[in-house]
Amino acid sequence: GQSLEQPSEVTAVEGAIVQINCTYQTSGFYGLSWYQQHDGGAPTFLSYNALDGLEETGRFSSFLSRSDSYGYLLLQELQMKDSASYFCAVRDNQGGKLIFGQGTELSVKP
Amino acid sequence: NAGVMQNPRHLVRRRGQEARLRCSPMKGHSHVYWYRQLPEEGLKFMVYLQKENIIDESGMPKERFSAEFPKEGPSILRIQQVVRGDSAAYFCASSPSAGAGNTIYFGEGSWLTVV
Repeated sequence: GQSLEQPSEVTAVEGAIVQINCTYQTSGFYGLSWYQQHDGGAPTFLSYNALDGLEETGRFSSFLSRSDSYGYLLLQELQMKDSASYFCAVRDNQGGKLIFGQGTELSVKP
Repeated sequence: NAGVMQNPRHLVRRRGQEARLRCSPMKGHSHVYWYRQLPEEGLKFMVYLQKENIIDESGMPKERFSAEFPKEGPSILRIQQVVRGDSAAYFCASSPSAGAGNTIYFGEGSWLTVV
C-alpha cells in the first residue's frame, strides 16, 4: 500500500521561511502533490512534482527526491493567510485515487 | 467554468436516518472521488467512480454506505441508518481523467452532523 509521513504541526512567524517535509512509501510512483486547506474550507491544489528537483510557484516551492522517497514544501515570506493545513499526496499503485498524508497544521504568528 | 459543486453544505440527521450527499463534478470531468475528513484529521479516501462505474471502493465501509455516478446527474454518496460516528466533512473531488498529473479539484464539502 501507500503511506505518507509529515509533521503534525509547524509554527513560524510572518516573513519567515518554513519547510514542511513529507516522506512516502508506495509501490508505484506517479508524483508527489501538495494541497492546502484552510479551516472549514476545501483542499486546494498547490503543486505537483513528477521528477526530481525544485518546482517554484511564487512564494511556494516544492521539492522531490525520488531516490529518497522524500519531498518538501517550502513557503517563503510567510503571511498570516498561510496559516492552514498542508497535505502531501501520492497516487495509489494503480495510478488511481490520491492518498493523502495526515496533514501539517501551519500556524503563522505575527 | 463552475467548480465542483456539492450539496447540501450542511446536513443534520438523527441517528437511524439516511443522508444523501450530492456532487456535480467540474465540466468535462468524468472521474469523481469521495473523501471523508474527521475533525483535526486527514482526508480518508472512500470511493472512486467514473460515469456508471465504481472503479475503487476500497475505502468505503462495507455496510450502510453506497455511492453512484449515473450517466446523467450528480454523483451521490448515500449513508443509511446514520450513527454519531458518521459525523464528518465529506469532500467530493473530480478530475478529467485518471493520471492527469496529481491534480484533483475539490468541492467545498458537505458537513454531516448526526444527533
